[in-house]
Amino acid sequence: NAGVIQTPRHKVTGKGQEATLWCEPISGHSAVFWYRQTIVQGLEFLTYFRNQAPIDDSGMPKERFSAQMPNQSHSTLKIQSTQPQDSAVYLCASSLEGSGQLYFGEGSKLTVL
Amino acid sequence: AQKVTQVQSTGSSQWGEVTLHCSYETSEYFYVILWYKQLFSGEMVFLIYQTSFDTQNQRNSRYSVVFQKSLKSISLVISASQPEDSGTYFCALSEPLDSNYQLIWGSGTKLIIKP
Repeated sequence: NAGVIQTPRHKVTGKGQEATLWCEPISGHSAVFWYRQTIVQGLEFLTYFRNQAPIDDSGMPKERFSAQMPNQSHSTLKIQSTQPQDSAVYLCASSLEGSGQLYFGEGSKLTVL
Repeated sequence: AQKVTQVQSTGSSQWGEVTLHCSYETSEYFYVILWYKQLFSGEMVFLIYQTSFDTQNQRNSRYSVVFQKSLKSISLVISASQPEDSGTYFCALSEPLDSNYQLIWGSGTKLIIKP
């Protein structure tokens, strides 16, 4: 059984460019989460989907960040007009409904120059 | 104030027993504490969990926990530690039962196991 798959593993963008990160959750998992990890802030919750529906995006910077889950096998996190402070590892995780156990992907490391 | 607190780093020698500490704040009657290990590649691996209803300390292979509910403290114990156990260990609090969507994370403890 494949784990959570995230692509790309590494992405370098110039300031002001757009970055899109992809996540394929574990088949059968109904919940998908996006986190951001930096040395300074640690792990920060961004957003959460349940059965493809957005449930909580309270951690998302409102203006430039957006997340979608167009189907049960795929979620995207898009950052428009990237800024150096967006540089981080973006982690996607999935879980079964009602389970506190999250399965994480290996993360996508975004570097904004 | 930090809701989940961990020490920044610790180390040990191979084959020893390692204890990583975590303290948390909650007013919930039911909650879950989970431990994850982050590999140097960035991947987060689930290790073990303990619920507030568990009367016994949980164990999973070389991992076990020491749960001190009244102190709101939980320690992860790694037995027969190996260099491959090196990494960053995160403690996370999930409350209440249905809110699996948002874990409250500690800042992690970096563990170095020397051969």
